[in-house]
Amino acid sequence: DAKTTQPPSMDCAEGRAANLPCNHSTISGNEYVYWYRQIHSQGPQYIIHGLKNNETNEMASLIITEDRKSSTLILPHATLRDTAVYYCIVRDSTSGTYKYIFGTGTRLKVLA
Amino acid sequence: DSGVTQTPKHLITATGQRVTLRCSPRSGDLSVYWYQQSLDQGLQFLIQYYNGEERAKGNILERFSAQQFPDLHSELNLSSLELGDSALYFCASSSNRDTGDSPLHFGNGTRLTVT
Repeated sequence: DAKTTQPPSMDCAEGRAANLPCNHSTISGNEYVYWYRQIHSQGPQYIIHGLKNNETNEMASLIITEDRKSSTLILPHATLRDTAVYYCIVRDSTSGTYKYIFGTGTRLKVLA
Repeated sequence: DSGVTQTPKHLITATGQRVTLRCSPRSGDLSVYWYQQSLDQGLQFLIQYYNGEERAKGNILERFSAQQFPDLHSELNLSSLELGDSALYFCASSSNRDTGDSPLHFGNGTRLTVT
């Protein structure tokens, strides 16, 4: 089972910031939080990842709470092309192996 | 372009048949992952290889098998195909096995249709 929970869907107005939340309350101390998105049936696209500190790249910002039990992906100026399913992932390291288990994600719709 | 190449892009075959899907990872990546995505479903982790060795298994059916070759490309073999095996099959690669600080990079998938 996925180690993260996300709202099933969100809407955002074009040009506004999209804030996508993710809960990962069972995250281990050395596990990174990853964000991906999938547009239509294309391969998932890597967005950003982080461990403890907030991270920013050309696509998005990642805010991780101090207790690391939740995080927020921020798309600062959403465009119609950002409409996609967004997945928050924490690597599952139980049973001695490492698996990247995708949950159901958040379907983000950017509205004109 | 993620640098991960999957072939073929589309595959149509009949029930009971066997197919092979191929994945070439990004240059320098040692890990290969396979995922299955059925219509309107999430990504199901199937199996992971690292430098030729199986490292982790997910919900992979016994009819399915995979391997990673010395040149690091990987193949996913699907046999005794059923209608329910129709899906998108994605391959992803990453550079490092265990640090966790290594994103997966996905190919554009193979769409398998079983008729």
